[in-house]
Amino acid sequence: DTGVSQDPRHKITKRGQNVTFRCDPISEHNRLYWYRQTLGQGPEFLTYFQNEAQLEKSRLLSDRFSAERPKGSFSTLEIQRTEQGDSAMYLCASSLGQLQVTGELFFGEGSRLTVL
Amino acid sequence: QKEVEQDPGPLSVPEGAIVSLNCTYSNSAFQYFMWYRQYSRKGPELLMYTYSSGNKEDGRFTAQVDKSSKYISLFIRDSQPSDSATYLCATRPSNDYKLSFGAGTTVTVRA
Repeated sequence: DTGVSQDPRHKITKRGQNVTFRCDPISEHNRLYWYRQTLGQGPEFLTYFQNEAQLEKSRLLSDRFSAERPKGSFSTLEIQRTEQGDSAMYLCASSLGQLQVTGELFFGEGSRLTVL
Repeated sequence: QKEVEQDPGPLSVPEGAIVSLNCTYSNSAFQYFMWYRQYSRKGPELLMYTYSSGNKEDGRFTAQVDKSSKYISLFIRDSQPSDSATYLCATRPSNDYKLSFGAGTTVTVRA
C-alpha cells in the first residue's frame, strides 16, 4: 500500500495525558498537512510542512500541540495535557504542492482520539 | 462566519435518484473547487475538481461552479447504494494549497 498511513488508528486516553500520532506520507510528496475533524464537521486545517519546514500553523493549534517532520519524511503530532475538547479525528494528508496543478491532497484514514 | 457553508443533510434517496449537493463560499480569491467523498471512518478522497467557473462531468458525477454567485454544486445521476457517503466541498485560492472544507452532507442511497 503506497498511500498515506497513520498510526494509531484509535487512541483512548485520560484527560491530562500526552498523546502522539504518526503520519507516513506518500513517499514522493513534499507537502504534509494535519487537519482535525470533529463529528458532523469538515476537516479543519491545523498545520503544514514543506519538506522539513513547518510553514503555517492555524490558530486552532494551541501551545499544547506540536508537530514535527524531521528529515522531511514522516511527521508526528503531539498533544500535551489532553482535554476532552481534543477528542476528534486527526487527519494527515500529503501532496506534491505546486508540482501538481490541482494540488490534490491525499488523506490517510485518520487517527481517532477519545479523551475521557 | 465560515468561509465555506454546505447545505446540511442528511439526505436519503432511492436508488436511481439524482442527488444534488450545494455549497457557498465567501472568499472571492478561491479559484480551485473540489468535492471529496468520505466513507464512514475513512479519510476523504478526491472525487472531482474544477478550476474557476463552469461545469465538469465525470461519469455519473457533474460539478458546477458559479463564481458570480459563489455557489458550488455536485450532482450524482443514477445514484447507487455504493454512493452512500459524506460529501465534502472544498476550495482554495490559486496561490495557497491549504483547503477550506464545508461541513459535509451525508447521503444514503436506499436499495
